[in-house]
Amino acid sequence: ETGVTQTPRHLVMGMTNKKSLKCEQHLGHNAMYWYKQSAKKPLELMFVYSLEERVENNSVPSRFSPECPNSSHLFLHLHTLQPEDSALYLCASSSFPAGELFFGEGSRLTVL
Amino acid sequence: SQQGEEDPQALSIQEGENATMNCSYKTSINNLQWYRQNSGRGLVHLILIRSNEREKHSGRLRVTLDTSKKSSSLLITASRAADTASYFCATDLYTGANSKLTFGKGITLSVRP
Repeated sequence: ETGVTQTPRHLVMGMTNKKSLKCEQHLGHNAMYWYKQSAKKPLELMFVYSLEERVENNSVPSRFSPECPNSSHLFLHLHTLQPEDSALYLCASSSFPAGELFFGEGSRLTVL
Repeated sequence: SQQGEEDPQALSIQEGENATMNCSYKTSINNLQWYRQNSGRGLVHLILIRSNEREKHSGRLRVTLDTSKKSSSLLITASRAADTASYFCATDLYTGANSKLTFGKGITLSVRP
């Protein structure tokens, strides 16, 4: 138990569906992150939120839409995804601006 | 190209042996971190070494940092089958107000019982 909880753990969706990934942290951190992990590739930083403001958007396609309503919750809204978006999506939190990241267990996304 | 690159890509050793994994990077860093990931799970932080430190220990883990060579190594002593996992180095590029942690592709470590 890392203190970062991601739901759902597994998600299968069609290219026309709309779904959301949820992340919740109980560590009192002030920064939250979305990373994408694909096979044989480095972890890709997607978004960073610090004090509920987005401070990093790493050229992510607009079909991924993040939302951070408060310092404990982070969402990733998904719509009209492509099969190449299938990956493990990892949420993490930390004390900004620097420090170790605490990761959730990830949401395994499959786009058909 | 990516900031941190681990070497080797895969490592297979016998239980009880030591495992050494290396990481090289390209630009100046604030700190370097090592993480571990069991198959299908999230990453777990192992150790952080700051740019002004040269060596750090945590249990069976020893990390070194050579900023002149822009490289780091992670040594796991007396390995166990439970150490089988992927290991990632991550470099923290402190740029003013923002911190950006960049990961490598990882090293797959297999420890044979």
